[in-house]
Amino acid sequence: DVKVTQSSRYLVKRTGEKVFLECVQDMDHENMFWYRQDPGLGLRLIYFSYDVKMKEKGDIPEGYSVSREKKERFSLILESASTNQTSMYLCASSPYGDTQYFGPGTRLTVL
Amino acid sequence: TQLLEQSPQFLSIQEGENLTVYCNSSSVFSSLQWYRQEPGEGPVLLVTVVTGGEVKKLKRLTFQFGDARKDSSLHITAAQPGDTGLYLCAGAGEETSGSRLTFGEGTQLTVNP
Repeated sequence: DVKVTQSSRYLVKRTGEKVFLECVQDMDHENMFWYRQDPGLGLRLIYFSYDVKMKEKGDIPEGYSVSREKKERFSLILESASTNQTSMYLCASSPYGDTQYFGPGTRLTVL
Repeated sequence: TQLLEQSPQFLSIQEGENLTVYCNSSSVFSSLQWYRQEPGEGPVLLVTVVTGGEVKKLKRLTFQFGDARKDSSLHITAAQPGDTGLYLCAGAGEETSGSRLTFGEGTQLTVNP
């Protein structure tokens, strides 16, 4: 079975802090994605990556950056967390093709 | 930008009832997927439909892809409390690369015993 793990299930940070969210997949997938999920807005794509060291902006990249130094690991970075970044963050991976496999999510609260 | 609109946004029904969830767009998709998400977990793929007019069945769930590949529906027969969850449709655009998907807003289904 495909396994996507995220470093934390729950995280509480203060405004202005730098936040790292990590995602690891164990199936050698080329593609990895970061979404945020908010009630009534569905899943919105922040960034995605097709390969190591490759990244592309999604629909809402402002305030975020990403890093993919190894194929299995995709990190989301909030350079200076703000209260409007309080959300559920979901990581997904995919082989070439459409099906995405999701991690359990990280619920981030920024105070 | 491709958009997918799901309806209804919320649905609360009694066990044994039937229901249909709709996913509509003005864009054509090369394929459309349905996911279910339970509280505290990430979405899990239920089905992928790729051909216009395609119908797929998964036990009591029936999925249909519109002939023009712009819309899809999910029908649940004799709903059970275990069907409770957030249902998401997601489309792969004909012009988008790789595995990028566009997600609908989701339908929160509650099946009461």
